Amino acid sequence: DGGITQSPKYLFRKEGQNVTLSCEQNLNHDAMYWYRQDPGQGLRLIYYSQIVNDFQKGDIAEGYSVSREKKESFPLTVTSAQKNPTAFYLCASSIGRGGGQPQHFGDGTRLSIL
Amino acid sequence: GNSVTQMEGPVTLSEEAFLTINCTYTATGYPSLFWYVQYPGEGLQLLLKATKADDKGSNKGFEATYRKETTSFHLEKGSVQVSDSAVYFCALSPPGAGSYQLTFGKGTKLSVIP
Repeated sequence: DGGITQSPKYLFRKEGQNVTLSCEQNLNHDAMYWYRQDPGQGLRLIYYSQIVNDFQKGDIAEGYSVSREKKESFPLTVTSAQKNPTAFYLCASSIGRGGGQPQHFGDGTRLSIL
Repeated sequence: GNSVTQMEGPVTLSEEAFLTINCTYTATGYPSLFWYVQYPGEGLQLLLKATKADDKGSNKGFEATYRKETTSFHLEKGSVQVSDSAVYFCALSPPGAGSYQLTFGKGTKLSVIP
């Protein structure tokens, strides 16, 4: 079955530590996204990528970094500069450009501070 | 800029009751509109969509009609079940070939009691 796989499901970060969240898709989608979800705030876009080796900042990119070396993979690193990283992180993909293209989501990674 | 406003939750209904979750939007031109559903501990799933005015999206007994004149996309279901308990998100995608981003509402939590 095609889909988006996020790992790990739960992740704990120590002070001053960088952590990387994995996102893999086998849908052959060109575009991929990372969102942060906090209670009562909906989803906020962190980064997105339209094609391999290219990515753009979203609304809340500070303290995060990404790479897109392969079409199917879009890992997110939460750096020590992100002072409030506790949240639910969602990865998504879509077939490409154009309005009306729905995004497909993974099951998320819940990040907490130790 | 683009924005989506959903009715505040939580919404609690008895099984077989009628459901309406209001959604209004602000956008330039004719955006595409979506409803997503999130079950506890999971990612978002596309529930239905509409890409032009007067379109009706439907799926699993849920319906929503794209109303340009009132800039609305209200979600309805005639008879809810306990299994419909989830958080529902309204979202829009701007028109045009360069559109990638979704703008989400804050979500409405629905609880259905037997």
